[in-house]
Amino acid sequence: AQSVTQPDIHITVSEGASLELRCNYSYGATPYLFWYVQSPGQGLQLLLKYFSGDTLVQGIKGFEAEFKRSQSSFNLRKPSVHWSDAAEYFCAVYYGGSQGNLIFGKGTKLSVKP
Amino acid sequence: NAGVTQTPKFQVLKTGQSMTLQCAQDMNHEYMSWYRQDPGMGLRLIHYSVGAGITDQGEVPNGYNVSRSTTEDFPLRLLSAAPSQTSVYFCASRKLAGRNIQYFGAGTRLSVL
Repeated sequence: AQSVTQPDIHITVSEGASLELRCNYSYGATPYLFWYVQSPGQGLQLLLKYFSGDTLVQGIKGFEAEFKRSQSSFNLRKPSVHWSDAAEYFCAVYYGGSQGNLIFGKGTKLSVKP
Repeated sequence: NAGVTQTPKFQVLKTGQSMTLQCAQDMNHEYMSWYRQDPGMGLRLIHYSVGAGITDQGEVPNGYNVSRSTTEDFPLRLLSAAPSQTSVYFCASRKLAGRNIQYFGAGTRLSVL
């Protein structure tokens, strides 16, 4: 079955430190890949997406993600975390087709220490 | 642009009551879907629709009904609410063809007592 794994349930980093959130997906074909962010009590905001081409994609708010086919991974990174980045982050995949559905990981909650 | 609009934002129900969560989009998207979000579970697909008159089940459809009479609207019905349906519900839509960028509503927070 198609699945998305976010191994880290909760991560705490200090403000100004670098961040990497992990995401791995199952299935052989390369899916379309997404990262969403959800601030407390808010809806989902698309951070970035990967469809094809350059494996390093840039998103909003200074985030980037790298697709590694050999590792079936799409990790999210940020060089310097700000307190406002505290939120929950979701990785999602879509395998295509008109009836294809977006499959979400369980999320990683990010806390930022001052 | 309104995008995807969900109403209500908050709702409290008693066990056994029924209600309809509303979802409307103004982007002429063929595909619409409902997710529920529970702590530690991510977002799980309840039902989806690829066009008016066409609906299908997702991962967790039990206890929910949907219909799609127009392109714009995709209501989610709880016929007899249960405490296990306490959750945050998100509606999403996208174009049917092309790459799957889904647009999400702001969510409905439902508590069933």
